[in-house]
Amino acid sequence: DAGVTQSPTHLIKTRGQHVTLRCSPISGHKSVSWYQQVLGQGPQFIFQYYEKEERGRGNFPDRFSARQFPNYSSELNVNALLLGDSALYLCASSAARGSFNYGYTFGSGTRLTVV
Amino acid sequence: AQRVTQPEKLLSVFKGAPVELKCNYSYSGSPELFWYVQYSRQRLQLLLRHISRESIKGFTADLNKGETSFHLKKPFAQEEDSAMYYCALSGSETSYDKVIFGPGTSLSVIP
Repeated sequence: DAGVTQSPTHLIKTRGQHVTLRCSPISGHKSVSWYQQVLGQGPQFIFQYYEKEERGRGNFPDRFSARQFPNYSSELNVNALLLGDSALYLCASSAARGSFNYGYTFGSGTRLTVV
Repeated sequence: AQRVTQPEKLLSVFKGAPVELKCNYSYSGSPELFWYVQYSRQRLQLLLRHISRESIKGFTADLNKGETSFHLKKPFAQEEDSAMYYCALSGSETSYDKVIFGPGTSLSVIP
């Protein structure tokens, strides 16, 4: 099993552009969560998807959106990029949600730089 | 408000010395607490969960609801314990869907 895979690993975008980040969960995992990690801080929750439905949303503007596909892979989209969106974007998968969440398995992240 | 605090950004201990990484939380519902670890050039990974009351790599953590703390402890630090440690919580208030991470503590074990 390749674990949680994220693509691309690095990305440089210009302010105002749009970006799409991709995540494939561990086989059999139905829950995918997205986190933003700014340098020197802990990961900040953006979204959780389970069974293709949004189950949780963090305090991020509407420029951030996501979706989960029938194969449980997921995309995170960010519109109208700002310099402050520069961060490491982490995807995490888990086999279940709710109180049966035994912890996340994280991908290695996508490093987004906005210039 | 839901919050996790880790008062120490950096912690240095000598090999063989006891180590304690502090974590305090603010949560009005029924919390579940976790410790995650990130070794150099590796992915963030789960170290332990309070609900399983397990000891992983010699580390233990006890949930103290009275003091709202979940400190991570190890009696004898090893060089390979040097890493970034994050305390995290989820809970009933958000149907356990949202995991809140603390800012992290960088542990350095001096040989």
